[in-house]
Amino acid sequence: QVQLQESGPGLVKPSETLSLTCTVSGGSLSSYYWSWIRQPPGEGLEWIGYVSYSGSTNYNPSLKSRVTISVDTSKRQFSLRLNSVTAADTAVYYCARHDVYGLRFDLWGRGTLVTVSS
Amino acid sequence: DIQMTQSPSTLSASVGDRVTITCRASQRISSWLAWYQQKPGKAPKLLISKASSLESGVPSRFSGSGSGTEFTLTISSLQPDDFGTYYCQQYNSYSTFGQGTKVEMK
Repeated sequence: QVQLQESGPGLVKPSETLSLTCTVSGGSLSSYYWSWIRQPPGEGLEWIGYVSYSGSTNYNPSLKSRVTISVDTSKRQFSLRLNSVTAADTAVYYCARHDVYGLRFDLWGRGTLVTVSS
Repeated sequence: DIQMTQSPSTLSASVGDRVTITCRASQRISSWLAWYQQKPGKAPKLLISKASSLESGVPSRFSGSGSGTEFTLTISSLQPDDFGTYYCQQYNSYSTFGQGTKVEMK
């Protein structure tokens, strides 16, 4: 049974870089696309971007200038970097999976809260 | 950007009620629409994709319909486990979610 687990710092200072990793266990990264999605406390969901098994990426235009998503197939991990963070980037960050038929997310990690504060 | 608007924002209902949630897209998205259920402190769960295709393991009391810009999620007989927040999501162009509909106990 495939599972996703987010990891990374829970606190980031303003203007610094948020870095998270998602580890995929129980299955392969191939044939799927791997996304990051976030949810500010008490608010709705925002798709950040995805990376494919081969490393191709696609990002939400509203975040594109600050986001990098990468994949490390040897470690079965994919990662998120978000630059120049502000308090508005405080959110629960989820990693999730979708297939070639579109960005409908059939498998999610539990999520990790990242707070941006000095 | 494609904007997704759900109504109502909050819905009070009782066990056994028929519940309908509406989602409207700011432009046509064919049938590229999914519905999710989220419980407090948990990740969303995919219920329906391609507007009306029920995911494996999802109870048949859930159904979805619509195409173009107007979509609905219907729960035919609300069960205790169905209380939570529901989100629609378009995936015709990138991905955007509706603001959510909280289904609470009346």
